[in-house]
Amino acid sequence: EAQVTQNPRYLITVTGKKLTVTCSQNMNHEYMSWYRQDPGLGLRQIYYSMNVEVTDKGDVPEGYKVSRKEKRNFPLILESPSPNQTSLYFCASSLFLGTNEKLFFGSGTQLSVL
Amino acid sequence: QQQVKQSPQSLIVQKGGISIINCAYENTAFDYFPWYQQFPGKGPALLIAIRPDVSEKKEGRFTISFNKSAKQFSLHIMDSQPGDSATYFCAASGGTNAGKSTFGDGTTLTVKP
Repeated sequence: EAQVTQNPRYLITVTGKKLTVTCSQNMNHEYMSWYRQDPGLGLRQIYYSMNVEVTDKGDVPEGYKVSRKEKRNFPLILESPSPNQTSLYFCASSLFLGTNEKLFFGSGTQLSVL
Repeated sequence: QQQVKQSPQSLIVQKGGISIINCAYENTAFDYFPWYQQFPGKGPALLIAIRPDVSEKKEGRFTISFNKSAKQFSLHIMDSQPGDSATYFCAASGGTNAGKSTFGDGTTLTVKP
C-alpha cells in the first residue's frame, strides 16, 4: 500500500531534550516536506526537499533541522525543543516528479513539549 | 505576511445545500492551486486542484472556480452531504519557489442532516 509513514504518532517531551520524528514514503517520490498545524493557522511549511541531499527552508524553519540521505526518508529533528513547538506535525511527499503537486500526507505526529 | 487568505473560518450548511469556500492569493507567480480535505485525526488529502490557465474545474460534486485577474479561487461543494463535514484547506505553490507551499488557515465545514 502506497503511504507516508510517520513515527511516533504521539510524543510528549520536556524542554531541551533532543528528538527526531521519522518520515518514510514507499512511493519513490523525490519531493518531501514537513508542516506544522496549529489551530487557526492552517498548515505552515517547515522544510522541504526536492531530492536526496537537497533541502530548503519553508516558512517556519527556526528550531528545526532535516536531512535527506535517502530518497524514502526525511526525518525532522528538534535539537532543543521548546513549548512553542508543541504542535501537530505532518510529513508529505509528492506524486509528481520534482514538484510539490498532489501531496500525500502522513497521519501526523502530535508533539507536546513541557 | 500571509500569502493565501481563506474564508470563512467555519461554515454550517444543510444537507443538499451548496458549500462555498473562498481563497485569495498575493503572489502572481503561483501556478498550482489545490484544495485539501482533512478529517479529524487524519492527514490532509488532495480533493481537487487547478492551474491558472483554466477558469473552472469540476470533479463530481466539487468545483473550483478560478479568477486570475482578481487573484481569487473558490471551492464549491454541490449537494453537500454530512460525510463532507471536514476541514478544507486551499493552497498555492509553484512559480519562482517551486518547492514551497502556502496554505490557507482552513475552513471547518459542518453539514447538518
